[in-house]
Formats: sequence, structure tokens, C-alpha cells
Amino acid sequence: QQPVQSPQAVILREGEDAVINCSSSKALYSVHWYRQKHGEAPVFLMILLKGGEQKGHDKISASFNEKKQQSSLYLTASQLSYSGTYFCGTEEETSGSRLTFGEGTQLTVNP
Amino acid sequence: DGGITQSPKYLFRKEGQNVTLSCEQNLNHDAMYWYRQDPGQGLRLIYYSQIVNDFQKGDIAEGYSVSREKKESFPLTVTSAQKNPTAFYLCASSMVAGEGDTQYFGPGTRLTVL
Repeated sequence: QQPVQSPQAVILREGEDAVINCSSSKALYSVHWYRQKHGEAPVFLMILLKGGEQKGHDKISASFNEKKQQSSLYLTASQLSYSGTYFCGTEEETSGSRLTFGEGTQLTVNP
Repeated sequence: DGGITQSPKYLFRKEGQNVTLSCEQNLNHDAMYWYRQDPGQGLRLIYYSQIVNDFQKGDIAEGYSVSREKKESFPLTVTSAQKNPTAFYLCASSMVAGEGDTQYFGPGTRLTVL
């Protein structure tokens, strides 16, 4: 079942923070986050595993609430390069290696 | 350099013609995937393969076919039975078909059916 992402779109000024949420009605084993620039392939950001720790690198981090089957992606002190569409891909506990992607959150960072 | 290649980048076909999209990886990954992306939408799984000579249908397999004769190759054929084939097609691979494994994407093929 497709996860629900919110918000659908967000506009920031450089240096502002943003949170993107991903919610599923299914029991999840992992949540994968990707960023896609227009016309390009999605680029892997990070993976959150059930029972694992919150992850992050540079100014992008994410968390996974196993009880609520929700994940959040945190972008702090946004840069122009952060612009793009962010997708979460969820892996259900019984789906093996299959990912189901949300419809994406379009992030625009302006100077 | 290891990676996933898809060719061609842009493809134009007449309605009613079958067309095959290429996907090759030299990452020694066991699992490979095909996704379709429509404008402003997320990625939808067409087919996936966890091992050579085996593949499974995804959520939107109708009108598509695949083969997995070699570990490094997973071509996708868009048949004339696919009612609305114009889309951006993305191939991905992961090291193993196990839980929590990361999928890496190729650059994609943009198919336009005239």
C-alpha cells in the first residue's frame, strides 16, 4: 500500500529548516529516502531500519517511529542544492525487497 | 566505474509497436527492478528479479514483459498491449534481495509513444 507523504510541496528560503513526513498503514521493516532532481534519477539519501537508530549526515537526518509506522526527514539550514522532489520508499515486513514509493514532496529552496 | 546504465535516454515509438528498454549493471547486484514514473507522480513497480532466470510482477505489470538471462542485464519490453506507455522508466538494482537493502537507480529512459 502506497505511503502518504506530507506536505506535497514546500518553499523555503536558504537557511530555513523543513520536515517531510511519510506514513504507512502497514507494518514496515524499513523506510528509504531519495531525492530526485527534475528529469534525473532518484538519488539515495538514507535508510531507516526497524529497530535501528536515527540516521543523518551533514544537515539531513531522519527518524523512524515503528509504533506509528511513520518516518520523518529533517533538512536543516537548507541550501539551494536541496531543491528537488523527495520520495520515501517503504518496505513492508512481508514484502521482501520490494519498495512502495509515496507521491513525493516537492521542495524549493530560494536565495 | 561501477554503475547502472540505461539506453537510450530518449525513445520515440509509434503506437502499436513493441519497444525494448535496456538496463545493465556492473555492480554485481543480485536484484534488479523496473519502475515507471508519470509526471508529478511517484515510482510504481513494474517487475523485479531477485535472481537470474527468475522474476516477479510488480504493481503494474500488465502490458510489459521482462527477462533475466544474465545477472547484469534486465531488459524491459513495452508491448502494444500497454495502453498508455508514455512515461519515464527507471531501472534499479540492489546487492541482494534481502530486507533493508538499498536500491540504486539508473539514469532512466524517457519513452514517448506518438
